Amino acid sequence: QVQLQQSGPGLVRPSGTLSLTCTVSGDSITSGHWCSWVRQFPGKGLEWIGEVYHTGNTNYNPSLKNRVTISLDKSRNQFSLNITSVTAADTAMYFCANRRSLTGFDPWGQGTLVTVSS
Amino acid sequence: EIVLTQSPATLSLSPGERATLSCRASQSVNNFLVWYQQKPGQAPRLLIYDASNRATGIPARFSGSGSGTDFTLTISSLEPEDFAVYYCQQRGTWPLTFGGGTRVDVK
Repeated sequence: QVQLQQSGPGLVRPSGTLSLTCTVSGDSITSGHWCSWVRQFPGKGLEWIGEVYHTGNTNYNPSLKNRVTISLDKSRNQFSLNITSVTAADTAMYFCANRRSLTGFDPWGQGTLVTVSS
Repeated sequence: EIVLTQSPATLSLSPGERATLSCRASQSVNNFLVWYQQKPGQAPRLLIYDASNRATGIPARFSGSGSGTDFTLTISSLEPEDFAVYYCQQRGTWPLTFGGGTRVDVK
């Protein structure tokens, strides 16, 4: 059974960098799926942030412009999210997820609530 | 980007009733439409992919239909555990986008 475990701080200072890691067990991150990040604003819907393939190809949501980087650590079977220059508008629940090209996001991590505040 | 509009925002029904949820895309997504269920405090759960294919372990009471711009998720007879928020998502074009959700609550 594939499981995704998220880690990272729940509080980030304004103008700082949000950094989260997703550790995958039960499967290899090089097995042919997209390693993805999705966020959910408080009480609201879902926003796709971006994804990385095992080849290193990435896709990002233009709404985050040039602030986001998603990367792989194959030796640790992990992938990571970095968002720079955060503001209060980046306060959200962040989820990692696997995405097969022909299906959807499955499975998901447990979620990390990140608050941007001084 | 492709905008997905879900309706209604809230659906109030009783257990055993049929639920019909709609998702409309601002442009064609072919059949690249996915449905998720989300319960409070949990991550979303994949239900349906490519408009009408049930994901592994999803009960047969969940079904999806549609193509192009208009899609429907149907729950044939609501079970107590089905009261939740449902989201559609298109995978046909980057950026991937989600609908705003439909809450199915107990009448």
